[in-house]
Amino acid sequence: DAKTTQPPSMDCAEGRAANLPCNHSTISGNEYVYWYRQIHSQGPQYIIHGLKNNETNEMASLIITEDRKSSTLILPHATLRDTAVYYCILCRGGTSYGKLTFGQGTILTVHP
Amino acid sequence: DGGITQSPKYLFRKEGQNVTLSCEQNLNHDAMYWYRQDPGQGLRLIYYSQIVNDFQKGDIAEGYSVSREKKESFPLTVTSAQKNPTAFYLCASSPLAGIAYYEQYFGPGTRLTVT
Repeated sequence: DAKTTQPPSMDCAEGRAANLPCNHSTISGNEYVYWYRQIHSQGPQYIIHGLKNNETNEMASLIITEDRKSSTLILPHATLRDTAVYYCILCRGGTSYGKLTFGQGTILTVHP
Repeated sequence: DGGITQSPKYLFRKEGQNVTLSCEQNLNHDAMYWYRQDPGQGLRLIYYSQIVNDFQKGDIAEGYSVSREKKESFPLTVTSAQKNPTAFYLCASSPLAGIAYYEQYFGPGTRLTVT
């Protein structure tokens, strides 16, 4: 499976948009981009996923570049509760089970 | 409320003892998973199960065992053969329909300490 690269940490002011980048330059055609986050000492939480098109849900937006080599997760109005580790994960469609491979992720700190 | 429960939240055991971690879900999901997380690390897959009475090894199954006698339950036993059992253990579940099996719902985790 292709690897992802994320910055180890980012800061964001409360109320501002948080833009978390992910590089996946060797992504395959049938790999989806998934985002999860993990608040300290809790289980991970699914945020959003996409294949080619940009996606939006009640939590976030996902922007995938046209060549699919990178993506950005956008939290439009970050709050203190959004402080967490954010994971960008590639998932291959057509497999028989959903193994998630978590890397190091990005520690997002939202400050007042 | 629908979700996944894991118990207990904290567990302490002496070295050489087997210990079983509980995981229950009422989401009617077919697939269930066990992950292990060490400090400052990402999650690693221990075992997974797609249907009752069937399960498969993940990346780090050595020293662990599971059972899936009921759809809603997937207990994990950490045996004395596991060399470094102290970790944060997370259970997850997902539907098996299409790509949705990557949308996994996680429990709150059990922090196991073996001394």
